[in-house]
Order: sequence, then C-alpha cells, then structure tokens
Amino acid sequence: QKEVEQDPGPLSVPEGAIVSLNCTYSNSAFQYFMWYRQYSRKGPELLMYTYSSGNKEDGRFTAQVDKSSKYISLFIRDSQPSDSATYLCAILHTNAGKSTFGDGTTLTVKP
Amino acid sequence: ETGVTQSPTHLIKTRGQQVTLRCSSQSGHNTVSWYQQALGQGPQFIFQYYREEENGRGNFPPRFSGLQFPNYSSELNVNALELDDSALYLCASSSGTSGKTQYFGPGTRLLVL
Repeated sequence: QKEVEQDPGPLSVPEGAIVSLNCTYSNSAFQYFMWYRQYSRKGPELLMYTYSSGNKEDGRFTAQVDKSSKYISLFIRDSQPSDSATYLCAILHTNAGKSTFGDGTTLTVKP
Repeated sequence: ETGVTQSPTHLIKTRGQQVTLRCSSQSGHNTVSWYQQALGQGPQFIFQYYREEENGRGNFPPRFSGLQFPNYSSELNVNALELDDSALYLCASSSGTSGKTQYFGPGTRLLVL
C-alpha cells in the first residue's frame, strides 16, 4: 500500500465548476500537507501547504485537512481553463525533508 | 532573481551507460532535492543535499549518486542505466532542509533504450 493515495481521475469539468481533489495517507508522522500543480512538460509548482486540521484558503483555492481521517482535499472554486493541469498532493516528513507525493489527478476545465 | 534551471532538457542513453544531470538552484537557496517522476506517477524522492552533504535519501540504489557544489548547484549521476530509469528527473531548491517551500525546475527527461 502506498503511503499517499490520490483519487486518480482524470476529471473534466465545465468552466466555473467547483472542483474537489482528494488524497488519503497512512502515516501519522506526516506533518505538512502540500498541493502542487504541474502543467504538461513543467516541474511541479507549490500552490499551498498547511500543517493543521481545518481549512486554509488562498484565492479560489481551499486546502482542507482532516488528520483524524488522514484525508486531505483541495477545492477550486470558479474553475478556469487555465486551471487545467495535473494536481499533486504531497505530504512532508519535516525531520527528513522528504516529500511523499500522490500520483496526481489530471484536471481539464472546458470553456 | 532566477529560478531553478536544469540541463539538459532531454537525453537519450542506452542501457548500461552513465548519465549526469545538472541543476542550478534558485538564488539564496542552499538545499537541493532530486526526484524521479515516471510517466503517470508522482515524483519520488531520491536524495537531498544541504551545504554540499547528502542529507537524506529515498529508496534508490547506490548507482544513483549526487554532488552539491559551493555555489549550491548540484549534479545527479546515474551509473549502469536500466530501462526503468526512463523518467523525468526533477530538482527542487529550498532555503533550509524542511522541504516546506521548495521550488522545482522544469526537469530533465531521460529515455533509456
């Protein structure tokens, strides 16, 4: 079993839709929870990170963490065609400086 | 301020050969981490270098090795290439070793035939 499991997708939504991207993890020692966006033929770009249970909002993006269920989510409001990319969740052992990534969910937002 | 750069962008090698990939870290960053991303998968941590010393390693064999230079740029070396080494190799730089805010380069796409 992988340490981080991500809903595989792909997802295709119309412009303006609310998108929900989800991951589960198995190791309680994980301390930080990150979301990256990766466009085709590019490196991942950090969107946001959080370390506590609850919600963290940044513009149209909201990261949600439920440590009791070991479940993390990223919500995108008012999705745009420019949001079309692969979204990667990653979970960090700060003591090791090592991020463990999910396999990504590919999102397409259709105009 | 320049971002993370990697060279070359693409590379084709044959099985058994050796390869060296290069990464220039973002200005002010002293830590470089290397990841392997196979097609359709998330990046997998290879190792991290901090101030020229290896500071953590993932589940990769010793034929994957690295260096970090005094200017904090870094190299990833892979010996005795195998077909399964075909992947996108990413480096990420950060200030400090926690890994919370690391910035990725565009990657080097390696194809082993």
